[in-house]
Amino acid sequence: SQKIEQNSEALNIQEGKTATLTCNYTNYSPAYLQWYRQDPGRGPVFLLLIRENEKEKRKERLKVTFDTTLKQSLFHITASQPADSATYLCAIYLTGGFKTIFGAGTRLFVKA
Amino acid sequence: SAVISQKPSRDICQRGTSLTIQCQVDSQVTMMFWYRQQPGQSLTLIATANQGSEATYESGFVIDKFPISRPNLTFSTLTVSNMSPEDSSIYLCSAPGTNPNYGYTFGSGTRLTVV
Repeated sequence: SQKIEQNSEALNIQEGKTATLTCNYTNYSPAYLQWYRQDPGRGPVFLLLIRENEKEKRKERLKVTFDTTLKQSLFHITASQPADSATYLCAIYLTGGFKTIFGAGTRLFVKA
Repeated sequence: SAVISQKPSRDICQRGTSLTIQCQVDSQVTMMFWYRQQPGQSLTLIATANQGSEATYESGFVIDKFPISRPNLTFSTLTVSNMSPEDSSIYLCSAPGTNPNYGYTFGSGTRLTVV
């Protein structure tokens, strides 16, 4: 069956450390993968997109990697801050139906 | 990227009634998407709404229960019909950016509680 899996357990890290979140998918062939941030009571906010032919993408303190062989994406936040505390969702774009499918998200807590 | 205004932000409704959720986009978009999100769960796609054609529903969602309108390129509504407590959820609309590199923009969501 098709699945997108993110760590269901919350990730707790100390301010200044690097947070690494994992997204694994099964039985999909995504054209690209996206990462979103969602705060409580708000809609998701787009952060980064990485295409199937890209290995890595960076934006300020954010870095995303994409391994189509492992069917995995890693999302890194370097020099993390308490303001980075949120739920982070990965999403797969399917070209066939022009649809975006989301993982359940991983909650990140950054302690001061 | 587009900005989406969604309303109502929350509502408490009696079972058996219907609620219509509205989304207004500040630019013209061809496709809009409606999602449902249970607490702690992923976003589940309900349907894709194109202007000028009937919405395309995902497995498990039907037009009679979730009728969608898309009268123009900046507006869409989702109605949750004949509600039951199982429909209590957060409902979100979404539209793609003008460029795939901009991802998707979401409304702020409608938190629905059916009592």
